Amino acid sequence: GAVVSQHPSRVICKSGTSVKIECRSLDFQATTMFWYRQFPKQSLMLMATSNEGSKATYEQGVEKDKFLINHASLTLSTLTVTSAHPEDSSFYICSARDPGLAGGWDTQYFGPGTRLTVL
Amino acid sequence: KQEVTQIPAALSVPEGENLVLNCSFTDSAIYNLQWFRQDPGKGLTSLLLIQSSQREQTSGRLNASLDKSSGRSTLYIAASQPGDSATYLCAVMDSSYKLIFGSGTRLLVRP
Repeated sequence: GAVVSQHPSRVICKSGTSVKIECRSLDFQATTMFWYRQFPKQSLMLMATSNEGSKATYEQGVEKDKFLINHASLTLSTLTVTSAHPEDSSFYICSARDPGLAGGWDTQYFGPGTRLTVL
Repeated sequence: KQEVTQIPAALSVPEGENLVLNCSFTDSAIYNLQWFRQDPGKGLTSLLLIQSSQREQTSGRLNASLDKSSGRSTLYIAASQPGDSATYLCAVMDSSYKLIFGSGTRLLVRP
């Protein structure tokens, strides 16, 4: 199957600083990537849809000015948590959409996640 | 708005038992349904993906079924092992290719 990487896997930062998380599709081109957030013992919640070359689409309740998403190439999307606060501490997971070959199946491949801790 | 529910929220069984995890969704207009496994503090491992036109998928000791009209899916795990202990997540893909996740079932298989 296709591989999606995330970097860093774990980050600890001070309150008020900004943190950038990268999501890369390693062996396919992803015109669409998704960012999810998972709080402890809860399920994944979609934050935003990242489309290559255009602005991200944010889910209701997600602050677009706080969670900056850039999808500058077909293999890279970045999520920047600006002015991070302790309540932003969470597990952030990205996925990349592989539309498949003609007649094939549309699939999302997930990155391994990034654990963000804001002190 | 699509909602995905998983029952039970937690399950503890002795090793060797066959078990069934349930997933239900409110909108039958789905593109596919996927079952994932998540170990504590880790990312997602895709187990089975069922396209909307399919009824079931099998992989080893795992079998997943889909009844789109009734909005239900089940994940059957045969001869459970302690290594199967994890959280199992069900997710449906809607027509905009977004995945909506259930809250998961935390499984503990006791030796």
